[in-house]
Amino acid sequence: EAGVTQSPTHLIKTRGQQATLRCSPISGHTSVYWYQQALGLGLQFLLWYDEGEERNRGNFPPRFSGRQFPNYSSELNVNALELEDSALYLCASSFRFGTQYFGPGTRLLVL
Amino acid sequence: QKEVEQNSGPLSVPEGAIASLNCTYSDRGSQSFFWYRQYSGKSPELIMSIYSNGDKEDGRFTAQLNKASQYVSLLIRDSQPSDSATYLCAVKAGNMLTFGGGTRLMVKP
Repeated sequence: EAGVTQSPTHLIKTRGQQATLRCSPISGHTSVYWYQQALGLGLQFLLWYDEGEERNRGNFPPRFSGRQFPNYSSELNVNALELEDSALYLCASSFRFGTQYFGPGTRLLVL
Repeated sequence: QKEVEQNSGPLSVPEGAIASLNCTYSDRGSQSFFWYRQYSGKSPELIMSIYSNGDKEDGRFTAQLNKASQYVSLLIRDSQPSDSATYLCAVKAGNMLTFGGGTRLMVKP
């Protein structure tokens, strides 16, 4: 069974640009979660989508947004990139509110 | 604010020893508890989940839960250098999963 997939694996942007990160959940999973992990820091919860709806949002500014598509895949958009947005962005999926399984992550570097 | 606390380490143990990783949480309503392992530069990988008080064993790993003391631990028996990683404790209350900052484990040959 295929795990959670994320693309791209690496992304380099400059300040002020927009970044789009994508995630495909495990087949049968309906929930997608996004986390940010800055270098040397813990996982910070960003967004949770379930059945196409945003269910919860972490303490991040509105320039972090996303959506979930009918096939349960998801994308995370980060507008007006700042240097401190450089981090590993992790997507996890679960069936409803069950155990979360993580994808390999997208490493975003903002120059 | 719901908190999950872990000693950041590093916790250094010799190969073959037992590594003991600890985690405390603040929300008494927490129902599910998870341990993830994260190698440097990689994503977290689920090791164990535990839902009721007591011990749960899976191979070399044992998770222990004490809800009265709001305490979760992970024991790794016969530690191997390949166990060197950061171990994340995660606690679920309602529909939200909260992660601790992780404990870095170093197993020395």
